[in-house]
Amino acid sequence: DAKTTQPPSMDCAEGRAANLPCNHSTISGNEYVYWYRQIHSQGPQYIIHGLKNNETNEMASLIITEDRKSSTLILPHATLRDTAVYYCIVRVASGGGADGLTFGKGTHLIIQP
Amino acid sequence: EPEVTQTPSHQVTQMGQEVILRCVPISNHLYFYWYRQILGQKVEFLVSFYNNEISEKSEIFDDQFSVERPDGSNFTLKIRSTKLEDSAMYFCASTGPNQPQHFGDGTRLSIL
Repeated sequence: DAKTTQPPSMDCAEGRAANLPCNHSTISGNEYVYWYRQIHSQGPQYIIHGLKNNETNEMASLIITEDRKSSTLILPHATLRDTAVYYCIVRVASGGGADGLTFGKGTHLIIQP
Repeated sequence: EPEVTQTPSHQVTQMGQEVILRCVPISNHLYFYWYRQILGQKVEFLVSFYNNEISEKSEIFDDQFSVERPDGSNFTLKIRSTKLEDSAMYFCASTGPNQPQHFGDGTRLSIL
């Protein structure tokens, strides 16, 4: 079972920042937090990941609390194309590795025009 | 940007028939994976493959399933005798050292 908890759905107005929370209170010291999204039954798309420091890339920012028990994915200027199911996943390895990703039900983010 | 490609996009097969789903991972990746997603349900891990052998598999990946890397570019998933409950989207993914998994857009498998 997934080791993360996310709200099932969220709305956000187009052009505003979308802040998606994730609870991972049982995360281990060597586990990374990954975020993926899935747009309308396409393949999951990698967004960002981090261990303990905040991370930013061209798609999003990831804020991890100091105790690492929760995180927030921020889409700074949401567009209609950001409507998708967003998955927060914890995983031991930074990359590669035999273990697969364990997907939960994610958060269905709906961007409103 | 390099991507994982999967063929066919949609496969329709009679129950009991064998089916092979094909994937071309990103060229310098070393780890390969198959996942499935039954309609309306979560994405589920099936199997991982590294150095020409299975690294890890889930309890879903029973004797009806097999994977193969027949040449330097393709990675296949075979279902030996399909059942109605095998109907799902099947996603291939690949990754390299210190890289996240990248997914293809999937094959929709419909069993009649």
